Amino acid sequence: DQQVKQNSPSLSVQEGRISILNCDYTNSMFDYFLWYKKYPAEGPTFLISISSIKDKNEDGRFTVFLNKSAKHLSLHIVPSQPGDSAVYFCAVELGAQKLVFGQGTRLTINP
Amino acid sequence: ETGVTQTPRHLVMGMTNKKSLKCEQHLGHNAMYWYKQSAKKPLELMFVYNFKEQTENNSVPSRFSPECPNSSHLFLHLHTLQPEDSALYLCASSEGSTGVSYEQYFGPGTRLTVT
Repeated sequence: DQQVKQNSPSLSVQEGRISILNCDYTNSMFDYFLWYKKYPAEGPTFLISISSIKDKNEDGRFTVFLNKSAKHLSLHIVPSQPGDSAVYFCAVELGAQKLVFGQGTRLTINP
Repeated sequence: ETGVTQTPRHLVMGMTNKKSLKCEQHLGHNAMYWYKQSAKKPLELMFVYNFKEQTENNSVPSRFSPECPNSSHLFLHLHTLQPEDSALYLCASSEGSTGVSYEQYFGPGTRLTVT
């Protein structure tokens, strides 16, 4: 059974608007969460992370929110730019340096 | 070179061939990883190495054989693969068990096709 789920395979947003990518996880003991971004023909690149002791972490246009009671993680990008078009993966750290990834959401920013 | 590099970027091999994938990290990290990404599936962790020692084998078939001669280099030796092994193979590195960061840095991947 998947421990990390991204239920939306794709999302389309207009340039300048907010993009919201969602991720659900199964285990309330998970302690550390990450978002990665992947362009075609490249490996995933680390974007932003959050520890379970926080409920929000912000870095420029990117903000990650953690709702521990709902076991839900979201990434907000505002304002969205064409260069943000990519596949976004959420991941959780399981301990012993193991990361488990979601299936990814393909974000398309339309001009 | 900077970051994490992988060679070759593309590989086509028959089921009876033997080939190797190479990964090199230039980040001074102590941990290295192999992941597999099949079509429409999440990234799957295959192997973890810390300070050249294998610390995780995620039930990977023996036709995949990793090798880590030092903290900067990681190989994945392939033999008698099956068509279902066709996938993107990604290498990553991180600070490792003595570091403070969980972030992993990925190479561009090797697109493997088994015919």
